[in-house]
Amino acid sequence: DAGVTQSPTHLIKTRGQQVTLRCSPKSGHDTVSWYQQALGQGPQFIFQYYEEEERQRGNFPDRFSGHQFPNYSSELNVNALLLGDSALYLCASSLGLRGVNSPLHFGNGTRLTVT
Amino acid sequence: QKEVEQNSGPLSVPEGAIASLNCTYSDRGSQSFFWYRQYSGKSPELIMSIYSNGDKEDGRFTAQLNKASQYVSLLIRDSQPSDSATYLCAVLNQGGKLIFGQGTELSVKP
Repeated sequence: DAGVTQSPTHLIKTRGQQVTLRCSPKSGHDTVSWYQQALGQGPQFIFQYYEEEERQRGNFPDRFSGHQFPNYSSELNVNALLLGDSALYLCASSLGLRGVNSPLHFGNGTRLTVT
Repeated sequence: QKEVEQNSGPLSVPEGAIASLNCTYSDRGSQSFFWYRQYSGKSPELIMSIYSNGDKEDGRFTAQLNKASQYVSLLIRDSQPSDSATYLCAVLNQGGKLIFGQGTELSVKP
């Protein structure tokens, strides 16, 4: 049973550049959520995708965008990178939109460093 | 006020003791509550979920929920050095967003 997979594991970018992170959900899951986790902090909700649409969004600027594909995989795009975007980016999958009885399962994350 | 609040710690307990981790939340309409464990450099791992008032036990772990007080806790009995990690409280709010606290760092000393 494949879990949540994310790529790449590490990434170094320069300020102002753009980055794309990828995620494949756990088998049987159809909802993907993205979180940003700064060092020493809890994960911060970026957005959630279900049926190829953004359904929920946290307090992140429009520089953060995403996409979900028909096979439920997802991408997170960040434009005009800032130093403050350096963090661990976590993808989590679940079954159904509300996730009331379907807790999130996390991937191993992508460590993004902006220099 | 943060939507989900935890003491950041670190919380230090001796091996074999009970570790008590606490969490409060602000959205009174929240229905689902979760505890995740995160080892340094790793991703969060679900250890407990609780949906109704009272206690829920799973092995050495007990989650407690009091919706009237908007309070969730996690007890770890017979703490082991391998339990040393950051524990994240997560609350599914009325809007369907899963919101995390900042985490409590637990250190279990041999």
